[in-house]
Amino acid sequence: GAVVSQHPSWVICKSGTSVKIECRSLDFQATTMFWYRQFPKQSLMLMATSNEGSKATYEQGVEKDKFLINHASLTLSTLTVTSAHPEDSSFYICSATSSGTGAETQYFGPGTRLLVL
Amino acid sequence: RKEVEQDPGPFNVPEGATVAFNCTYSNSASQSFFWYRQDCRKEPKLLMSVYSSGNEDGRFTAQLNRASQYISLLIRDSKLSDSATYLCVVTYTGGFKTIFGAGTRLFVKA
Repeated sequence: GAVVSQHPSWVICKSGTSVKIECRSLDFQATTMFWYRQFPKQSLMLMATSNEGSKATYEQGVEKDKFLINHASLTLSTLTVTSAHPEDSSFYICSATSSGTGAETQYFGPGTRLLVL
Repeated sequence: RKEVEQDPGPFNVPEGATVAFNCTYSNSASQSFFWYRQDCRKEPKLLMSVYSSGNEDGRFTAQLNRASQYISLLIRDSKLSDSATYLCVVTYTGGFKTIFGAGTRLFVKA
């Protein structure tokens, strides 16, 4: 199946630091990428949908100025958590689809664990 | 009411048991349905898509009832390796909108 990578796999940072997470589709062109957040014992919550070359669409309640998303190419999307605080500590997962219409199957990256001290 | 609701679990079953998970969704415009499996501290992995006609993949059978807005997953002959959280997933808006259920935890014991 399709492969999606994320980097870094885990981050520990001080409060106030900005953290950048990369999501790459390794063997296909991802016109759409999704960013999710998952808190312990909770389900994945969609944060935003990102289409290559256009602005991301954020879900209600997600601060676009705090979670900056860039989808500059068909294989790379980045999520930057600006001025991270302890409440931002979570498991961030990206997924990608290979169809321009937002295909049915999403391929997930391995996730990035963020711990803000 | 949540858009996608699942049995809360956890389900504790012995090896070889048959176990069924249920899922209901509230948006009648929902278009595609999936079951994902998520192991502890890992990303979700697609288990199978769900079709109105029902589909089977080895020990796993998925069913969709659009009229009742209900999805099910049946696991036969449970293995220890089936222990995981099973996520019911619904998409609409041409795949751009994806809603995950909270997941049902399954523990298969020897």
